[in-house]
Amino acid sequence: DIVMTQSPDSLAVSLGERATINCKSSQSILYTSNNKIYLSWYQQKPGQPPKLLIYWASTRESGVPERFSGSGSETDFTLTISSLQAEDVAVYYCQQYYSSPYTFGQGTKLEIK
Amino acid sequence: EVQLVESGGGLVQPGGSLRLSCAASGFAFSTHWMHWVRQAPGKGLVWVSHINIDGMNTDYADSVKGRFTISRDNAKNTLYLQMNSLRAEDTAIYYCAGGFYCTTTTCSGGWFDPWGQGTLVTVSS
Repeated sequence: DIVMTQSPDSLAVSLGERATINCKSSQSILYTSNNKIYLSWYQQKPGQPPKLLIYWASTRESGVPERFSGSGSETDFTLTISSLQAEDVAVYYCQQYYSSPYTFGQGTKLEIK
Repeated sequence: EVQLVESGGGLVQPGGSLRLSCAASGFAFSTHWMHWVRQAPGKGLVWVSHINIDGMNTDYADSVKGRFTISRDNAKNTLYLQMNSLRAEDTAIYYCAGGFYCTTTTCSGGWFDPWGQGTLVTVSS
């Protein structure tokens, strides 16, 4: 099974500042036949289901604000919020959809400092 | 409007059974793999099971293998999860989610979208 490890577990950032969440996979999730990284990011607010933010490691889902961006290589990935807004308070999860079981990171709780 | 609506959750005793349903609307259900994901109270997301578009390819997390069965009815745009021999550790919100999009020749995508609102399963005596 591919293990997804996020860091940090929690993060407090001031409004307007940059927030960075890291995610590491235990093996490469780059599918060489199409050169795509099978990694997605989700945002979950209390009492709500997860919401897709990013897929293919760096493609922003339609309607997601431009302050959210994803980057990374075969095993190391980053979700960046360029200028934190109050509505971004949530738990963020990375997930690999390269192979079953489709594992999630443990989550990173983002709060306002 | 794209909607996935789960139902069938509730309180069940250890060793009991439940059948969850996920009704899809505004979504090309029959062309998407489907997944069940669960979230124990205060915990993270855990993938439970998937099913491909014709129901012939399924897989399960080790923790539910042999106890849970995923199925789908494309004519009714509905996904199911039959849960038997339930344990206290199965207590969670269960979400259904869409996955890979498949044509007759190939599949693409794979991220989980859309998601339902979830249904709570509580296993307790």
